[in-house]
Amino acid sequence: DQQVKQNSPSLSVQEGRISILNCDYTNSMFDYFLWYKKYPAEGPTFLISISSIKDKNEDGRFTVFLNKSAKHLSLHIVPSQPGDSAVYFCAASVNTGGFKTIFGAGTRPFVKA
Amino acid sequence: KAGVTQTPRYLIKTRGQQVTLSCSPISGHRSVSWYQQTPGQGLQFLFEYFSETQRNKGNFPGRFSGRQFSNSRSEMNVSTLELGDSALYLCASKLAGVGADTQYFGPGTRLTVL
Repeated sequence: DQQVKQNSPSLSVQEGRISILNCDYTNSMFDYFLWYKKYPAEGPTFLISISSIKDKNEDGRFTVFLNKSAKHLSLHIVPSQPGDSAVYFCAASVNTGGFKTIFGAGTRPFVKA
Repeated sequence: KAGVTQTPRYLIKTRGQQVTLSCSPISGHRSVSWYQQTPGQGLQFLFEYFSETQRNKGNFPGRFSGRQFSNSRSEMNVSTLELGDSALYLCASKLAGVGADTQYFGPGTRLTVL
């Protein structure tokens, strides 16, 4: 049961341009969404989050958009840099008496110089 | 502050054996969660412990178990290992007991089952 889906395992983007990573979810009870970034041989690191009561959150080059009616969120990276080439995991949390976090399969942008 | 540490970093076992992985959370963090990462599957939630109690559990067979000690350190055990258990096992800790706080991940234990 894939409650959080990242349908694109990878994408190619030119350095300096925008990277858009997409994520869809099925459980309307999710009320907190996060993006994590992972390099090989390291654990994921927190990047940015958004509460379900908001539709946008921005932090530097990273912006997350949430469309609750479509159960869709996206991460925009502007401008893209070669160091952004990592796996980005979308995650969603639901309160089940403690928060349970469900992760997507990940998307890796390949940033070309 | 020291980050989340996991030991061992790499492990090779054979089918049928059992294995125990260890996780030390960030000082002061009381919640510890475990995840399995396999290619194409992302991070699959195994279970979460808070104050020595299992609070949430994912959809894994009973061969996967865990526990948490009074100092918040956690162990995960897999019995009767199968080839499909080969994966990166990640541990994550967070500060508070409730609320969707940010989780901090360790580097993982790479388990290979032959």
